[in-house]
Amino acid sequence: DVKVTQSSRYLVKRTGEKVFLECVQDMDHENMFWYRQDPGLGLRLIYFSYDVKMKEKGDIPEGYSVSREKKERFSLILESASTNQTSMYLCASRPGLAEYNEQFFGPGTRLTVL
Amino acid sequence: QQQVKQSPQSLIVQKGGIPIINCAYENTAFDYFPWYQQFPGKGPALLIAIRPDVSEKKEGRFTISFNKSAKQFSLHIMDSQPGDSATYFCAASFRDYKLSFGAGTTVTVRA
Repeated sequence: DVKVTQSSRYLVKRTGEKVFLECVQDMDHENMFWYRQDPGLGLRLIYFSYDVKMKEKGDIPEGYSVSREKKERFSLILESASTNQTSMYLCASRPGLAEYNEQFFGPGTRLTVL
Repeated sequence: QQQVKQSPQSLIVQKGGIPIINCAYENTAFDYFPWYQQFPGKGPALLIAIRPDVSEKKEGRFTISFNKSAKQFSLHIMDSQPGDSATYFCAASFRDYKLSFGAGTTVTVRA
């Protein structure tokens, strides 16, 4: 079974702090994604990476950056956390070699910025 | 601006009923339409997906109906069970590279 793990289930940070969210997948997937999930808005893509050291902006990249130094790990960075970044953050991965592949999601990190 | 519009936001049915969730899209380049199911405390998981070359796809009690001319697709849950209570997301993409998700529908099936 594909397993996508996220470093924390719950995180509380203060405004202005630098926040790191970590995601690890164990299936050698090429593609990895970061989404945020908010009530009434569904899942919105922040950034994705189609290979190591490669990244592309999603629909809402402002205020976020990402890092992918190893194939299995994809980090989301909030350079200076703000209260409007309080949300559920979901990581996903998928194989990159073929089209129409399922995205596998982690359990999510609920981030609260005070 | 959401590229996929999903309705209703929530619905409640009795066990055995057929909840129906509707989605509409504008981008005619979309060619992949998956549905994801999310239980509380879990990440979403792929439930069923359809490509526009077919008008209907069934997997167990779950059926997707697809209307290409109307740019609409829907999920039907036949003989719904309390274990089907979850949030359902429709999505769409060109290939499956970058999915655009709907806002989600919370389905409650009462015993």
